[in-house]
Amino acid sequence: ETGVTQTPRHLVMGMTNKKSLKCEQHLGHNAMYWYKQSAKKPLELMFVYSLEERVENNSVPSRFSPECPNSSHLFLHLHTLQPEDSALYLCASSQAASGRAGGELFFGEGSRLTVL
Amino acid sequence: SQQGEEDPQALSIQEGENATMNCSYKTSINNLQWYRQNSGRGLVHLILIRSNEREKHSGRLRVTLDTSKKSSSLLITASRAADTASYFCAPISLAGNQFYFGTGTSLSVIP
Repeated sequence: ETGVTQTPRHLVMGMTNKKSLKCEQHLGHNAMYWYKQSAKKPLELMFVYSLEERVENNSVPSRFSPECPNSSHLFLHLHTLQPEDSALYLCASSQAASGRAGGELFFGEGSRLTVL
Repeated sequence: SQQGEEDPQALSIQEGENATMNCSYKTSINNLQWYRQNSGRGLVHLILIRSNEREKHSGRLRVTLDTSKKSSSLLITASRAADTASYFCAPISLAGNQFYFGTGTSLSVIP
């Protein structure tokens, strides 16, 4: 198994659908992250979890709902999205939820979301 | 803003040439990290330089850091077509501790 696995790799959904993105890490890390990457924009840090507790929520609309049932799994539940939410959603993990500790992020391959 | 800003936005060079990209940031940092992203894939960590370091090497990569100018540069020597990717910096501020990225530098290495 690779370090960080994201499923599905591609997802097409209508604005009224409910879907979920899944991320699993096999590195024994304590922190997990969701990023949104849209064309021509900086990567947007959405949520950070440390030991299953949310430690950062960067003003993300409520139509995105994260869930971290344990330190190895992270979900992003999607509900009534807008076309502008179409993007590449990247999951990452790190040993600690602090860049100051000198750790690095390990990313998954991303889930490409298209909202029709 | 805690994110870095990479410059130039796009860079195209011939195989064998050196590629230099820059990162500017606004806050005092603990360390700065560079990542690479192949098209449509996840980011991969390349190198970390601490605030008390001025230069660091890893294979064909050379990173410099000038904290007085709040800037860093990434040099890739003897570039290869496989180096074609986007490159991002993440300055880790003293005040915060999260990883914020900019829009990256898109590097094209022409065979």
